[in-house]
Amino acid sequence: DGGITQSPKYLFRKEGQNVTLSCEQNLNHDAMYWYRQDPGQGLRLIYYSQIVNDFQKGDIAEGYSVSREKKESFPLTVTSAQKNPTAFYLCASIGEIPGSYGYTFGSGTRLTVV
Amino acid sequence: EDQVTQSPEALRLQEGESSSLNCSYTVSGLRGLFWYRQDPGKGPEFLFTLYSAGEEKEKERLKATLTKKESFLHITAPKPEDSATYLCAVQEGDQGATNKLIFGTGTLLAVQP
Repeated sequence: DGGITQSPKYLFRKEGQNVTLSCEQNLNHDAMYWYRQDPGQGLRLIYYSQIVNDFQKGDIAEGYSVSREKKESFPLTVTSAQKNPTAFYLCASIGEIPGSYGYTFGSGTRLTVV
Repeated sequence: EDQVTQSPEALRLQEGESSSLNCSYTVSGLRGLFWYRQDPGKGPEFLFTLYSAGEEKEKERLKATLTKKESFLHITAPKPEDSATYLCAVQEGDQGATNKLIFGTGTLLAVQP
C-alpha cells in the first residue's frame, strides 16, 4: 500500500547534537512537507518542497535544514541551533487520496532532548 | 491574519450522544477545508476535503459541512472508538501554489461507553 514512512519513531538528542529524521513516500506525490506539533498548538510548517532539488522555508525554519535529492525522500535535520527541539514531527505529502485530495501524513517522530 | 479556530477544545460524550465540532476560519480566499482525525502518538488520518459553501460529505458516523465562515463535523451516535483529536485545516487562496495548510489546535473528543 502507498504511504509515508517516518523513522525513527522515537529519537533522543543530546545538547549540541544534530539529528536527522527520515521521511520516505511511495505515493508518487511531488510536494512534501515537514510540520512540528506541540501540545496546545496547531501544526506549524517547518519546510516544504514542491519538486526535487528545490525547497522553501516555512513559518519556523530556524534551526532546521532539509534536502530533496529524490522524489521519494525528504529528510529533516534538527541542528544544534534549534533551541527547543522537543516535539512531535510530522512529514506529509499532498495529492490524490482515494476518492478525494489532501495531505497524507506519516506516523511521526517524537524527538526528545536529553 | 489567516486564522483557524476550533471549538470546543475538549468534548466528552456518552456513547450514542450526538454532537458537533466547530471550525471557524478567516482567510482571504478559501481553496479547501480539511478534516483529520489524530490518535495519540500517531499521524493525522484524512477524513474529508470541502471546497465550497453548502458542500457536505459523510463517512460512517461523521458528516462534515461547510459555510462561508465555518465548518462543522457532526458525529451521530458516537462509539468509544471515535475518541480522538479532530483537526481542521484550511488552504488559503494565495497559498494555492504552495498547498500550505493552516491548522487549528484541534478538539479532543472522548466517548464513554
